[in-house]
Amino acid sequence: KAGVTQTPRYLIKTRGQQVTLSCSPISGHRSVSWYQQTPGQGLQFLFEYFSETQRNKGNFPGRFSGRQFSNSRSEMNVSTLELGDSALYLCASSFRQDAYGGYTFGSGTRLTVV
Amino acid sequence: SQQGEEDPQALSIQEGENATMNCSYKTSINNLQWYRQNSGRGLVHLILIRSNEREKHSGRLRVTLDTSKKSSSLLITASRAADTASYFCATDAGGNYGGSQGNLIFGKGTKLSVKP
Repeated sequence: KAGVTQTPRYLIKTRGQQVTLSCSPISGHRSVSWYQQTPGQGLQFLFEYFSETQRNKGNFPGRFSGRQFSNSRSEMNVSTLELGDSALYLCASSFRQDAYGGYTFGSGTRLTVV
Repeated sequence: SQQGEEDPQALSIQEGENATMNCSYKTSINNLQWYRQNSGRGLVHLILIRSNEREKHSGRLRVTLDTSKKSSSLLITASRAADTASYFCATDAGGNYGGSQGNLIFGKGTKLSVKP
């Protein structure tokens, strides 16, 4: 059974550009969450989608957005990149709406903004 | 904002010893989860304990939860070099009808080093 797949694994962008990250959850998983991990702030929740609906959003500026498609694949977009957006972006999926089984994380996309 | 705070921040032990990590949190929770992360890679789910449970076991892992003290501990018995990783606790406040809304709140983690 394939795990959560995130593409690309590494990305280097210039300040001011925009970027789109992709996440393919485990087949059958309808909940997809996104997290940002930095050395200073740790792991922070970005947003969560369930059946194409954003159910919850973290405390991030509007430059961060996401969406989920009918096949549960999800994308997140960051516009007008800033140096502080350099981070490991992690996607997680879950089968159950209540997530009592925990979440399965992808290996992440490491974004470097120069 | 961080909800869970792990203690200690770093722990170094010899192979075969037990490792205990603690986590404190601030608000009511639906469940608490522990994850492992190797060298900046993805997180691996270890164990989930619900708010109405007090103790749970999984292989060499033992987790306790004290909701009155808003704290949890993770015990790894007979540790191995392969257990070297960062360990995070994450709380799930839950959504409507006890469900989750995907917004786990993570602590800063405990960096465990197991020396052969």
